[in-house]
Parts: sequence; C-alpha cells; structure tokens
Amino acid sequence: DAGVTQSPTHLIKTRGQQVTLRCSPKSGHDTVSWYQQALGQGPQFIFQYYEEEERQRGNFPDRFSGHQFPNYSSELNVNALLLGDSALYLCASSFQHTGELFFGEGSRLTVL
Amino acid sequence: QQQVKQSPQSLIVQKGGISIINCAYENTAFDYFPWYQQFPGKGPALLIAIRPDVSEKKEGRFTISFNKSAKQFSLHIMDSQPGDSATYFCAASFDDYKLSFGAGTTVTVRA
Repeated sequence: DAGVTQSPTHLIKTRGQQVTLRCSPKSGHDTVSWYQQALGQGPQFIFQYYEEEERQRGNFPDRFSGHQFPNYSSELNVNALLLGDSALYLCASSFQHTGELFFGEGSRLTVL
Repeated sequence: QQQVKQSPQSLIVQKGGISIINCAYENTAFDYFPWYQQFPGKGPALLIAIRPDVSEKKEGRFTISFNKSAKQFSLHIMDSQPGDSATYFCAASFDDYKLSFGAGTTVTVRA
C-alpha cells in the first residue's frame, strides 16, 4: 500500500520564478493538505483540498495556489518566488477530515 | 502568531531514561492534540493523540498527559532508546486537519 508520494524531492529555483509541486495521497484518501516547514521550525498549514475545492487556507499570500484533480492528487503552485519561500513542503492526506494525517516525505525547495 | 508553544528546544537523555516534552496552547477551541515524530529527511509521522475528554493516554512507551485548565499537554517517553532520537512536534486543532504545530524538540538518546 503506497503512502503519500511527493515530487520532486529536491529542486532549486531563482527569485521570481514559479514552481509546481505534486502530491499523490495514500490509497483510500480523498483529502490533501499542504504544509510549509522552514528549517528548524514546525510545519505551517497552507491549505486543504477536498472534492477538488480549497476548503481551508492558512496565513499564506495568494502567490500560493493549489489544485486537486478527480483522482484526488494535488498540486501546489508558488509564483514570484522569494528567498523566504525556501522550505520543505509537506503534503498530507486523510479520509475526508475525520482522521489521522499521513505525511509524505516532502519536497525540498531552495530559492536562490 | 504561534498558537502552540513547545519546550525544550532540545534534550539529551541516557538510554533507559525518561524524555519529557511540554506544550502550551491558547485557543480554547482546540479539541485534538497529536504528537508527531520526524526523522531527518522524512515527513512527520503520528505518534499518539489525545482529546480533551481524557487526562492521560498511553501507547507503549509513549504517554500524553493533558491539563485542560492549564491549557498544557506533555509527552513522556519512557525507557528511551537510541531509535527514539528524532524531532518531536506537538500540535493542536479544532477540526482535525488544520493543525497548528509547535516549533519542535530534538531528542537525542545516548547509548
């Protein structure tokens, strides 16, 4: 049973560029949440997708956007990258919003 | 602002000892308090969780103590093993999925 898978695992971008990160939820899960984890910090909630809609959003600017596809997979897009966007981006899946979050291993983004 | 405050930032314990990590929260609407374990290069994994209708929950060597009136909860790791060396995060939410995490505690277990 595959867990939460994320791609790419590592990537380097320059300021002003755009990035797309991808997530496939654990089998049987239909809800995907995205978190940003800066070095040495706890994860911070970005947003959650359920039924292809954004249900909740954390304190992140509109440069952060997402999408959920009919197969429940999800993308996180970040436009106009800033140095401060360098972080580990974690995807977590769950069955609706009632249970345990299963996290992927993350996508490490470095902005130069 | 940080809704969950975690301490200490790091701790070192001898094999067989007890590790204690503390967290405090402000939002009284929180009703779900999980602890996550994260190894380097990995995503966080749920360790144990508690809801405010109980004051303590134990799973193996891991115990959560919860004090609703003080708005505090803690993780105790009994008989600490080298394999427990990891970063531990407390978290809280009022709708299960929008978790507010603490800053993390790095635990090192010396053999």
